[in-house]
Amino acid sequence: DADVTQTPRNRITKTGKRIMLECSQTKGHDRMYWYRQDPGLGLRLIYYSFDVKDINKGEISDGYSVSRQAQAKFSLSLESAIPNQTALYFCATRLGFPNYGYTFGSGTRLTVV
Amino acid sequence: KQEVTQIPAALSVPEGENLVLNCSFTDSAIYNLQWFRQDPGKGLTSLLLIQSSQREQTSGRLNASLDKSSGRSTLYIAASQPGDSATYLCAVANAGGTSYGKLTFGQGTILTVHP
Repeated sequence: DADVTQTPRNRITKTGKRIMLECSQTKGHDRMYWYRQDPGLGLRLIYYSFDVKDINKGEISDGYSVSRQAQAKFSLSLESAIPNQTALYFCATRLGFPNYGYTFGSGTRLTVV
Repeated sequence: KQEVTQIPAALSVPEGENLVLNCSFTDSAIYNLQWFRQDPGKGLTSLLLIQSSQREQTSGRLNASLDKSSGRSTLYIAASQPGDSATYLCAVANAGGTSYGKLTFGQGTILTVHP
């Protein structure tokens, strides 16, 4: 099994619908992140969490919300999906020490029509 | 604000060539630098992690160097193979201010190795 698992892998949804992307990890890392990737814009940070009770906004949090249900689970919700939220979404984890690297999941491709 | 630039944006080489991908960053206050590989539509696979106190890291045919003071890193790929074709992303973990610990990514270099 992958260290960082994202579900679903692909999703097509309609404008205005609420959708949740899920991330779970088996690495025992305390820090979890959500990024989105768009052609020409690279990867941008949406939300991050240092532990279950510590959640922070990233660069582009508008239109998104998150929930850290447990140390191993971090979900991203789009409250009312819009077409410009069509992107590739990545979850990442890291230990809470600066010199540790990041581990990324395989991504969720979301299309909003 | 940290900015990361990767040059070239795209590179096409014949199989067997040695090649160098470049990454530069504007703020030298970093904890580490990580090189990733991304296949089309897929996730990011970590290739090498260099701490700010290190000069280089090696893994198989890959060698990454870091010159923190000048804000530069290179990824050297020896004896390239078609299977190396992918996008290579450079990312720095910031040490300063409100960006503490966060990653800043470059735009990537799209590498094509043709037989």
